[in-house]
Amino acid sequence: EAQVTQNPRYLITVTGKKLTVTCSQNMNHEYMSWYRQDPGLGLRQIYYSMNVEVTDKGDVPEGYKVSRKEKRNFPLILESPSPNQTSLYFCASSLYRDTEAFFGQGTRLTVV
Amino acid sequence: KNEVEQSPQNLTAQEGEFITINCSYSVGISALHWLQQHPGGGIVSLFMLSSGKKKHGRLIATINIQEKHSSLHITASHPRDSAVYICAVTPGLYGGSQGNLIFGKGTKLSVKP
Repeated sequence: EAQVTQNPRYLITVTGKKLTVTCSQNMNHEYMSWYRQDPGLGLRQIYYSMNVEVTDKGDVPEGYKVSRKEKRNFPLILESPSPNQTSLYFCASSLYRDTEAFFGQGTRLTVV
Repeated sequence: KNEVEQSPQNLTAQEGEFITINCSYSVGISALHWLQQHPGGGIVSLFMLSSGKKKHGRLIATINIQEKHSSLHITASHPRDSAVYICAVTPGLYGGSQGNLIFGKGTKLSVKP
C-alpha cells in the first residue's frame, strides 16, 4: 500500500531534550516536506527536500533540522526543543514539487 | 494579508444539502489542492487541479485561473462529510523558493443528520 509513515504519533518531551520524528515513504517520490499545524495559523512549511541531499528552508525553519540521505526517508530533528514547538507535525511526499501530495498520519508533539 | 483565503471559516449544514466552500489566492500558481482533515487529524488529498473542473463521487472542484478563485462543492451532503476542508496552492516558481504548498486556514464543516 502506498503510504507515508510518521513516527511517533504522540510525543511528550522536556525542553532541551533532542528528538527525531521519522518519516518514510514507499512511493519513490522525489519531493518530501515537513509542516506544522497550529490553531489559528493553519499549516506552515518547515523544510522541504527536492531529492536526496537537496534540502531547503520553508517558512518556519527556526529550531529544526532535516536530512535526506536516502530517497525514502526524511527525518525531522529538534536538537533543543522548546515549548513553542508544541504542535501537530505532518510529513508529506509528492512525486514532484507540483504533483499530488500524500500526508503522513501526523505527530502530536508536546514540549514541557 | 494571507495569500490563500477560504470562506466560510465554519459551516453547518443539514444532511442532503448542497455545500460550497470558496478559496481565493493572490499569487501565481502551478496547482491548487483541496485537502480533507478528519477529526482524527489525518490529511488526505481530494483534488489537485490547474484548470477547469474535476469530479469525484459527490465532490466537485472548480478553478478559475483568471479570477484566482476555486470552489469545492459537495452534493447530497452526509454526516460523514464532516471534516475540515483545506485549500492549498503550489506557487509558481519565483524568488528562488521551491516550497510547494501555501495553505488556507481551512473550513470546518459539520453536517447534521
